[in-house]
Parts: sequence; C-alpha cells; structure tokens
Amino acid sequence: QKEVEQDPGPLSVPEGAIVSLNCTYSNSAFQYFMWYRQYSRKGPELLMYTYSSGNKEDGRFTAQVDKSSKYISLFIRDSQPSDSATYLCAMQTRRGGGADGLTFGKGTHLIIQP
Amino acid sequence: DADVTQTPRNRITKTGKRIMLECSQTKGHDRMYWYRQDPGLGLRLIYYSFDVKDINKGEISDGYSVSRQAQAKFSLSLESAIPNQTALYFCATSLAGSETQYFGPGTRLLVL
Repeated sequence: QKEVEQDPGPLSVPEGAIVSLNCTYSNSAFQYFMWYRQYSRKGPELLMYTYSSGNKEDGRFTAQVDKSSKYISLFIRDSQPSDSATYLCAMQTRRGGGADGLTFGKGTHLIIQP
Repeated sequence: DADVTQTPRNRITKTGKRIMLECSQTKGHDRMYWYRQDPGLGLRLIYYSFDVKDINKGEISDGYSVSRQAQAKFSLSLESAIPNQTALYFCATSLAGSETQYFGPGTRLLVL
C-alpha cells in the first residue's frame, strides 16, 4: 500500500460546481498537509497548507484534515475553467521536512467545463 | 522576481550518454531538492540538500548523482542514461523550517 493514495481522475465538472478532491494516507506520523496545484507544463505551486485536524479556508478554497480517519480534502467553490489543473496532495512528518521531505499523492486531474 | 530556473527545459539523449540538469535559484533558500514526475506515479524525491555540505539520497537515487556547487545551484547528473529515466524532472527550494517548497518549471527528458 502506498503511503498516500489519490484518485488520478480525470474529474470533469461544470463551471460553478463545488469540487471535492481527496487523499488518504497510512502514516499516522504525518502532521503537515499541503495541496499543490500544477498547470500543464508548469511546476507545482503551493495552494493550501494545514496543520492539525479541522478546516482552513482561503477564498474559494477550503482544506479539511481528519487525522482520525487519515483523510484530507480540498473543496473548491464556484469552480472556474481557470481551476482546471492537476491537484496534488502532499504531507510531511515534521515542519520543514527534515529527512522525510514531502510525500506526494499521484495528483488528480481536474477539468472544469465552461 | 526571485525565482527557480532549470536548464535545459527539454532534452533528448541516447542510452548510455551522460547528461546534467541544472537548477539555479535567486530566492536565497538554503534547501534544494530534485524530484521526478511520471504519469501514474506522481512526484518522487531523488536527492535533497539542506546546505552546500549536506547531500542526502531520496526515495529513488539509484542511477543519479548530484552536486551542490553553491547555495544557489544544484545539479542532477545521469551518468549513463537509460530509457526508464525518461520523465519530467523538477527542482525545488525551501527555507529551513518552512513547509513551502517552490518548484522550477521542470525539464522534460527523453532517453532513446
């Protein structure tokens, strides 16, 4: 079993819909959780960062962490065609990574239909 | 703007050739990383460096070597390229104690 599982998609939704992206993980030592967005032919860029269970909101984006279930989610409200990208979850056991670095999910390819 | 740059952006080479991918950053970060990205496998860490004198192997270091020439430069070498090293390679940087890694634009490598 991989440490981080993420459905690769593609996930196709109409413009304006609420999008839910998810990852599950097996290593209970993960404490820091991130979502990166990657546009085609570009490097990943950090979208959201959370520590501990609960929700964190930033504009149309909400990151949710449930450590008891080892499950994290990213919600996108009022989705736009410009949100079409690959979304990667990433996790680490210690702040700044240390010897563990970041462990990434495979990424979910999201398509927002105009 | 402070940035992470990678050269070349695209490279085609033949099996057995030695190639070097270069990464430079103007962010003043002390930590640098090399990842490869493959369809269906996601991003995997090859090597990382926390400062000029500190180099560490990542998840998939076999067949690769690195050199940290300066705080701002981190090179990845394939001593004898093989076709299964065909992938998209990313360099990333971060500050010690920060959870944020900043990625370069990537190098697309094809080994024939």
